[in-house]
Amino acid sequence: KQEVTQIPAALSVPEGENLVLNCSFTDSAIYNLQWFRQDPGKGLTSLLLIQSSQREQTSGRLNASLDKSSGRSTLYIAASQPGDSATYLCAVTSSGSARQLTFGSGTQLTVLP
Amino acid sequence: DAGVIQSPRHEVTEMGQEVTLRCKPISGHDYLFWYRQTMMRGLELLIYFNNNVPIDDSGMPEDRFSAKMPNASFSTLKIQPSEPRDSAVYFCASTQHRVGGTEAFFGQGTRLTVV
Repeated sequence: KQEVTQIPAALSVPEGENLVLNCSFTDSAIYNLQWFRQDPGKGLTSLLLIQSSQREQTSGRLNASLDKSSGRSTLYIAASQPGDSATYLCAVTSSGSARQLTFGSGTQLTVLP
Repeated sequence: DAGVIQSPRHEVTEMGQEVTLRCKPISGHDYLFWYRQTMMRGLELLIYFNNNVPIDDSGMPEDRFSAKMPNASFSTLKIQPSEPRDSAVYFCASTQHRVGGTEAFFGQGTRLTVV
């Protein structure tokens, strides 16, 4: 059974810092990995999708990497801003006939002005 | 497309009452997922459908929970009878099957409070 772990559970940084969020998964047989953002009381917003054949994806100040063989992904946020404060979740889609996303428990990020 | 649409956004009900949550997936998406989110357990997959057929309902906590997808544009999650421990945010998500998979898109969720 796929298990996804995110470290740290919470992170607080001053504005302007670059930061890295970590995600690890136990079964490397995946189709893709997706990073989401969730604001308090809101739904999940997809940030980046990395296919299993890819090593990284970039969108603006965000860069996500994937090392499938070691079961790890990182989300890099450059020049953090207070508006980046949210919970960041990673989720993997396991290969095979199933298509469900398995989520980590998230990293709660606070960017201090 | 307006994205995944869930209704209602908030539901407060008394213990023992029936609750029905609704979801409209993105047009053309052939997978639909129901998740439950709580502080204690995070996001849990309850059930998912492929082409309107339930594929895996092993996450449904009890027989009090049931889900249907009568057509490609509508799904319901029903709890009967509801209990206070069912209080959570319920999310619906949809995605489209392609080699390598595609992005999953989530609705805004239904916040259920059972008193």
